[in-house]
Amino acid sequence: EAQVTQNPRYLITVTGKKLTVTCSQNMNHEYMSWYRQDPGLGLRQIYYSMNVEVTDKGDVPEGYKVSRKEKRNFPLILESPSPNQTSLYFCASSRIGQGSEQYFGPGTRLTVT
Amino acid sequence: DAKTTQPTSMDCAEGRAANLPCNHSTISGNEYVYWYRQIHSQGPQYIIHGLKNNETNEMASLIITEDRKSSTLILPHATLRDTAVYYCIVRVNTGGFKTIFGAGTRLFVKA
Repeated sequence: EAQVTQNPRYLITVTGKKLTVTCSQNMNHEYMSWYRQDPGLGLRQIYYSMNVEVTDKGDVPEGYKVSRKEKRNFPLILESPSPNQTSLYFCASSRIGQGSEQYFGPGTRLTVT
Repeated sequence: DAKTTQPTSMDCAEGRAANLPCNHSTISGNEYVYWYRQIHSQGPQYIIHGLKNNETNEMASLIITEDRKSSTLILPHATLRDTAVYYCIVRVNTGGFKTIFGAGTRLFVKA
C-alpha cells in the first residue's frame, strides 16, 4: 500500500531535549515536505526537499532541522524544543512536477512542556 | 507567491451539490490549483487539481475561470462524510516547490 508513515504519532517532551520525528514514504517520490498545523493558522510549511541532499526552507523553518540522506526518509529534528513548537506535524511526499499531488502522513502531535 | 482566499465556513444539505469558491488573483501562468480536504486532524487528502481546463474525477469537479483568478470545487452529492476543512492551494515554483496553504473552508454537511 502506498503510504507516508510518521513516528512517533504522539510525543510529550520537555524544553531543550532534542528529538527527531521520522517520516518515510514507499512511493519513490522525489519531493518531501514537513508542515506544522496550529489552531487558526492552517498548515504552514517548515522545510521541503526536492531530492536526496537537496533541502530548502519553507515559511517557518526556525528551530527545525532536516536531512535527506535517503530518498524514502525525511526526518525532522528539533535540536532544542520549546513550548512554541507544540503543534501537529505532517509529513508529505509527491512526485516532482507541477501536476503532482502530495500524499500526507497521519500526523505527529507534539507537546513541549 | 500566489495566495488564496476562501470563505471561512459553508453549510450544505446532504444530497445537494456543495460549491466551494476560491480566489487566487495573483496566480501565475504555470501554477496549478490544487484542492485538499482534512477531516478532523487527519492528514490532508488530495481531491483534484487543474491548470486551465475544468477537471472531473470520482470525487469532485473543478471549475477554473477563464482568467484563472478564481475556481470552484464542486462536490456533486454531498454526504455527511464530506464534512471537513477544504483547502485550495496554488503550487508555487520558486526553484523548488514551496507550498502555501490558507486557512481553508470548513464545510458542514447537514442531514
